[in-house]
Amino acid sequence: GAVVSQHPSWVICKSGTSVKIECRSLDFQATTMFWYRQFPKQSLMLMATSNEGSKATYEQGVEKDKFLINHASLTLSTLTVTSAHPEDSSFYICSASFSGRGYEQYFGPGTRLTVT
Amino acid sequence: KQEVTQIPAALSVPEGENLVLNCSFTDSAIYNLQWFRQDPGKGLTSLLLIQSSQREQTSGRLNASLDKSSGRSTLYIAASQPGDSATYLCAVSAIQGAQKLVFGQGTRLTINP
Repeated sequence: GAVVSQHPSWVICKSGTSVKIECRSLDFQATTMFWYRQFPKQSLMLMATSNEGSKATYEQGVEKDKFLINHASLTLSTLTVTSAHPEDSSFYICSASFSGRGYEQYFGPGTRLTVT
Repeated sequence: KQEVTQIPAALSVPEGENLVLNCSFTDSAIYNLQWFRQDPGKGLTSLLLIQSSQREQTSGRLNASLDKSSGRSTLYIAASQPGDSATYLCAVSAIQGAQKLVFGQGTRLTINP
């Protein structure tokens, strides 16, 4: 149990366009979802935390107008990278948690974004 | 601000050896500590979660210990196998806002056949 999926697994887009990444909890209702960014050979950096039905809380230094997060239901959160630039190319990973498992986070498989 | 450090950054050992990965954190006020495995280009697989009130957790050949007062955790891997090759990450969550995880930089482990 506690499976999290992401779609797409990889995406290539042109500079200036927007791209949406979906994160779904498949077999549980996630009260909280998290979005992380990972550069090559580096660790994960938390971008934002979102609770269903509320606005996301962004970490310091993360542009909320550039990285739009929507947590529309207990099983779905989306991250939209707006007006993407090559420096936004990265590996984006989401995770989800619920209180029934002691707030343990379950991670998705990640989305590789390449902006050309 | 919580900082998590993992030593060594990379480790290469022959198959069959027992090994220890280290994780240290600066703020001992943690809610829990997790060890993850990440294969290249993939997401994270949770290996072990230790609540702040616990001293250790075991799963198969893996044993993780937690010494909150000294800000340290170790992941012990017994009888290593080539399939254990991956990057191992530790992460801690703070008591306030229990769910936010702060990650270490990871240890890249290579097990040589």
